[in-house]
Parts: sequence; C-alpha cells; structure tokens
Amino acid sequence: GAGVSQSPRYKVAKRGQDVALRCDPISGHVSLFWYQQALGQGPEFLTYFQNEAQLDKSGLPSDRFFAERPEGSVSTLKIQRTQQEDSAVYLCASSRVGSGELFFGEGSRLTVL
Amino acid sequence: AQSVTQLDSHVSVSEGTPVLLRCNYSSSYSPSLFWYVQHPNKGLQLLLKYTSAATLVKGINGFEAEFKKSETSFHLTKPSAHMSDAAEYFCVVSDGAGNMLTFGGGTRLMVKP
Repeated sequence: GAGVSQSPRYKVAKRGQDVALRCDPISGHVSLFWYQQALGQGPEFLTYFQNEAQLDKSGLPSDRFFAERPEGSVSTLKIQRTQQEDSAVYLCASSRVGSGELFFGEGSRLTVL
Repeated sequence: AQSVTQLDSHVSVSEGTPVLLRCNYSSSYSPSLFWYVQHPNKGLQLLLKYTSAATLVKGINGFEAEFKKSETSFHLTKPSAHMSDAAEYFCVVSDGAGNMLTFGGGTRLMVKP
C-alpha cells in the first residue's frame, strides 16, 4: 500500500479484556516497529521485527503484551487482560533495514475503562 | 545508551516570526538524529535527518537543523512560522544500526495569527 495502515483506529476495552491491534506495513519494508505513546508524551519503543524475526522486545512493559509477524508482513500487537495504564496510542512504523527513516501509521488509540 | 531532551514542552510564536525548538542528545555512538512532526490525529512525519554528512541539514517545509557535537545539540529552526506549522515536534536519536529510535518528550508549537 501507499503507507502504513493500522486498525482499528480507535478501540475501547473494559478492564480485563484482550485486544488485538493490526499493522500493515509498506510493501517491501523489512523492519517493523511498535511504539506506545501515552497522552502528552513521546513515543516509547516496544518491539522490533526484521522480517518475521522479533529481534528486540525489550520495551514490552509486561508479559501481557505480545507481538507477532508470522509471515514477515502484517504484524499484530496483542494485549491480554488490559489495564487502565495500557490506555495509549499504539504506533506502528516500518522501514528499509538500517535506514533509520521510519514511516509511521496513524496509530491505534486504546482506551481501557 | 542514548537519550534525548527537548528543553521546552511548549513554544508559542507569532506567524511570520522565527521558530527555535531546542534539543540535546546523549549517545554512545556517532548518532543519527531526526526531527519528526505530528499533526493532530495524523501519523508522525519525518522533517529531516542528520547522518554524519553536512552539519546543517535542510528539511521539508522550510525547516532546518544544525548538528553541534561540542554542545550535543540538534536544534530545529525556521525563519518564518506559518499557521500550518502548529503541531507537536519530536527530536529523535538513533542507535548505530539505525534501528532503535529514542524519542524526546516533544515540543508543542503554537502559532498565533
């Protein structure tokens, strides 16, 4: 596609529910990143894939967070048993490997009640 | 380890006057540095990047930034602000491989008529 596509754009979940956020990167981009952006703050790194391999997941805040990219293209970020502190915008970005220039999607805004 | 400090959380200027958004960085590597802009409900967009070539970097929409190693700074400037420049600006430092981006806390630029 022309850009990075994320869905859903908005998600409201009750505390304790599981959610899944989808990212469709730019075609041919090997690298894929997930970031979490809390209100009024800069994005914080969650995890990084190169093709289907998850090379870095040091930013995932707890074992309730899980990301996958099984075929090296679309990625899903799953949050189990959501908590209020998980409320944030989740940003996906893709790039050519090592370019440093990330192309971001518009994000998925998660609100946990 | 790497980090970025954006010295002002909010900057307000009048239309037609100069813009200065300040950024200091810390990096164990020879850094790559970026400025991204985020308009409301839009994805992050790359303004410009420094990758050890010319220290004065020109970006889109008339913005430029100067890399000063002695001051560990990468301030963003524009000679004349437009109303359309009102947005959140993020200074970003990259690791040596260009994969891990660390964002500053952001500066919200307001432009008054």
